[in-house]
Amino acid sequence: SYVLTQPPSVSVAPGKTARITCGGNNIGSKSVHWYQQKPGQAPLLVIYYDSDRPSGIPERFSGSNSGNTATLTISRVEAGDEADYYCQVWDTNSDHYVFGTGTKVTVL
Amino acid sequence: EVQLVESGGDLVKPGGSLRLSCAASGLTFTNAWMSWVRQAPGKGLEWVGRIKSKTDSGTTDYAAPVQGRFSISRDDSKTTLYLQMNSLKTEDTAVYYCTTRYCSDGYCYSALDNWGQGTLVIVSS
Repeated sequence: SYVLTQPPSVSVAPGKTARITCGGNNIGSKSVHWYQQKPGQAPLLVIYYDSDRPSGIPERFSGSNSGNTATLTISRVEAGDEADYYCQVWDTNSDHYVFGTGTKVTVL
Repeated sequence: EVQLVESGGDLVKPGGSLRLSCAASGLTFTNAWMSWVRQAPGKGLEWVGRIKSKTDSGTTDYAAPVQGRFSISRDDSKTTLYLQMNSLKTEDTAVYYCTTRYCSDGYCYSALDNWGQGTLVIVSS
């Protein structure tokens, strides 16, 4: 089955840039989506189709995808961005959704 | 505004059964592809399964850990999604979310949008 690997944690100072990676075999050939999940809340879609933002998501959130790595970038990080972030793809071989292992973003 | 409200979570013994419901409103439910996603305590997100709209065949797909034990169905007249869980195991303990496929400007993507608040299932003796 397809595996998506994320770093367990990323720490960033307010106002700086956080980059969260999502590694998968030839992930650049797939559409990658990203979710933010705050404690006690349901996940929130923040990036879809590699780099598009749903309505209401700040421009500070951006995404890219190439080769074996997709990246979620959060610019000008705010305290409210502290959360767990998950990448996700649709594995066409198995017809299954696949989530990454998740990354906890801590704002210092 | 789309609302998804899960219910039916409970404490159940290993080997037992449970049926979860997800009441949907604010969307054209008949066209919606619906999924269940679960999250074990302190763990990450795990996709459980999906049901397509009836106009798109209404077929279901399941993750390997639940294949053969769980069954997803829908009642479009009640705009409600169901998850029938049989032969429950302790590792099925999780918050279960229902969620919809993300669609925008007439195009649908393999992303998940409009999540419910989740319902907690505890499998323990």
